[in-house]
Amino acid sequence: GDSVTQMEGPVTLSEEAFLTINCTYTATGYPSLFWYVQYPGEGLQLLLKATKADDKGSNKGFEATYRKETTSFHLEKGSVQVSDSAVYFCALRSTGSARQLTFGSGTQLTVLP
Amino acid sequence: DAGVTQSPTHLIKTRGQHVTLRCSPISGHKSVSWYQQVLGQGPQFIFQYYEKEERGRGNFPDRFSARQFPNYSSELNVNALLLGDSALYLCASSFREGEYNEQFFGPGTRLTVL
Repeated sequence: GDSVTQMEGPVTLSEEAFLTINCTYTATGYPSLFWYVQYPGEGLQLLLKATKADDKGSNKGFEATYRKETTSFHLEKGSVQVSDSAVYFCALRSTGSARQLTFGSGTQLTVLP
Repeated sequence: DAGVTQSPTHLIKTRGQHVTLRCSPISGHKSVSWYQQVLGQGPQFIFQYYEKEERGRGNFPDRFSARQFPNYSSELNVNALLLGDSALYLCASSFREGEYNEQFFGPGTRLTVL
């Protein structure tokens, strides 16, 4: 079945540091890939997405590239801010089960001033 | 515009009780999905409804049921609550079903089972 494995946290960085959160997946067909962010006390917000191989999703300085050869979708940001502190979830939606999202376990990011 | 709304925000129940959670989708959205998020884990898919019909079901026991109303709002019902049902229950809506329709999530209902 579909599965998503993401880097375990928590991750603690200083402001303006470089961020990478690793995500790999297993799925049939050609899934769409997503990064969601969850701020304390809130629901999930879509951060970025990519729907086919080699696509790069980007938003608010965050980027992730759909790598089919390595089945990966790593999240990166060149310079994190305190306001980026949140839990980040990698997710996929496969063509075989287009009705549901399959999530990774989440990575807690804390950015210190 | 209002986003996805869920009620109640928090709920405390005891083992064996029944609970009903409610979700109102974004205006114009016809698809509603429910997810369970246990503390420290990613959300797990429970149900999807589209145009008042069940279109998908995750690996949850029959104690979990749901329905969608003509106005596209939805209820999630859980019977015979267990301690392990304690979680954040998330509702998500989208305009239609299908992989290219973005799901918008509500803030969730925090259920605690004692």
